[in-house]
Amino acid sequence: SQQGEEDPQALSIQEGENATMNCSYKTSINNLQWYRQNSGRGLVHLILIRSNEREKHSGRLRVTLDTSKKSSSLLITASRAADTASYFCATDNYGQNFVFGPGTRLSVLP
Amino acid sequence: ETGVTQTPRHLVMGMTNKKSLKCEQHLGHNAMYWYKQSAKKPLELMFVYSLEERVENNSVPSRFSPECPNSSHLFLHLHTLQPEDSALYLCASSQDPSGSYEQYFGPGTRLTVT
Repeated sequence: SQQGEEDPQALSIQEGENATMNCSYKTSINNLQWYRQNSGRGLVHLILIRSNEREKHSGRLRVTLDTSKKSSSLLITASRAADTASYFCATDNYGQNFVFGPGTRLSVLP
Repeated sequence: ETGVTQTPRHLVMGMTNKKSLKCEQHLGHNAMYWYKQSAKKPLELMFVYSLEERVENNSVPSRFSPECPNSSHLFLHLHTLQPEDSALYLCASSQDPSGSYEQYFGPGTRLTVT
């Protein structure tokens, strides 16, 4: 069964704006990861946040995790055209399975 | 470069052909994965190998046959495929299969079945 579910499915913003994507999941997790995929290419790992963490930063990326709401958000600040890609969350429920969500397609317009 | 390579990058095959996809990781990881990515569908985990032993097989049709001769190489043997098998096939590796570590993906093989 699908675990992570990203929202929105597609997002279009202007360069310089912030982009926020959300991920909801159903069962308890050990960690949650965010990945980026440029069109037709492999996925690139962005951030891993563990269940006992609430927030992590990496450059222009900020990830939050709310285990009580079973949700996570990925914020990209000061977006650039190069940020145009699909973004996926993936959840690990203690080794039971590792499941990717359907993704959010982000378009950053120059 | 992620340290995971896949060949070929593109493959067109008929339904009666037999072909193989190859994946190699240069990261010293112990786990390797095959994923299928179809248009408008979430990434589907097909197989997981840990130290050359298959640890997960997600009800994949037998026309897909994986092989892991050592911890650095992973193959996906294809035979009598269907047009609906056309997709991007991604290989990945991680430190172990527990889900506690990030996965490193190859660029994928774009497969078209005619």
